[in-house]
Amino acid sequence: DAKTTQPPSMDCAEGRAANLPCNHSTISGNEYVYWYRQIHSQGPQYIIHGLKNNETNEMASLIITEDRKSSTLILPHATLRDTAVYYCIVRVPDNYGQNFVFGPGTRLSVLP
Amino acid sequence: GAVVSQHPSRVICKSGTSVKIECRSLDFQATTMFWYRQFPKKSLMLMATSNEGSKATYEQGVEKDKFLINHASLTLSTLTVTSAHPEDSSFYICSASHRLAGVGNEQFFGPGTRLTVL
Repeated sequence: DAKTTQPPSMDCAEGRAANLPCNHSTISGNEYVYWYRQIHSQGPQYIIHGLKNNETNEMASLIITEDRKSSTLILPHATLRDTAVYYCIVRVPDNYGQNFVFGPGTRLSVLP
Repeated sequence: GAVVSQHPSRVICKSGTSVKIECRSLDFQATTMFWYRQFPKKSLMLMATSNEGSKATYEQGVEKDKFLINHASLTLSTLTVTSAHPEDSSFYICSASHRLAGVGNEQFFGPGTRLTVL
């Protein structure tokens, strides 16, 4: 079972920041938070991951609360191409023999 | 980043026929590959875990005689849907594990294969 809960859907205006929340209250000390997204009829795409510090890359920022029980993925300037289902996943990293467990995710619609 | 390909990207077949889907890691060797299935508006569900040179491990409820998995090399895994029926119509996605030292980003997904059984 997925260890995370996310809102089923969100809307965001084009050009504005999209803030996608994720609750993971049962996260273990050695588990990381991963974010993937899936654009319609494509495979999941890696976005970002982190342990406890905030992380930023060319795609997004990840803000993890101090107690690590929740996090927020931030797309700073959403475009229409960011419309996708976003999955928040927690797991132990570098666990090559273990699959990713996907929950229902958040369907983000970026509106013009 | 590491690239995983799937072939074909979409396939339409008649009921009762068998369909083979290939999953390749293009620029790395993957000791473990995973096969997922995704129905419309649903999330990805793991079907099986495939390790090179050994038998695949199937999830509960997935028929191993219907969904044949072969992982004969470190860069190729195949999923064969035997005697396909309309209820097997779905989006099939593979992923491969690759060790990128110090990154923790170790799983890469293919683009998926859309199977339609008439």
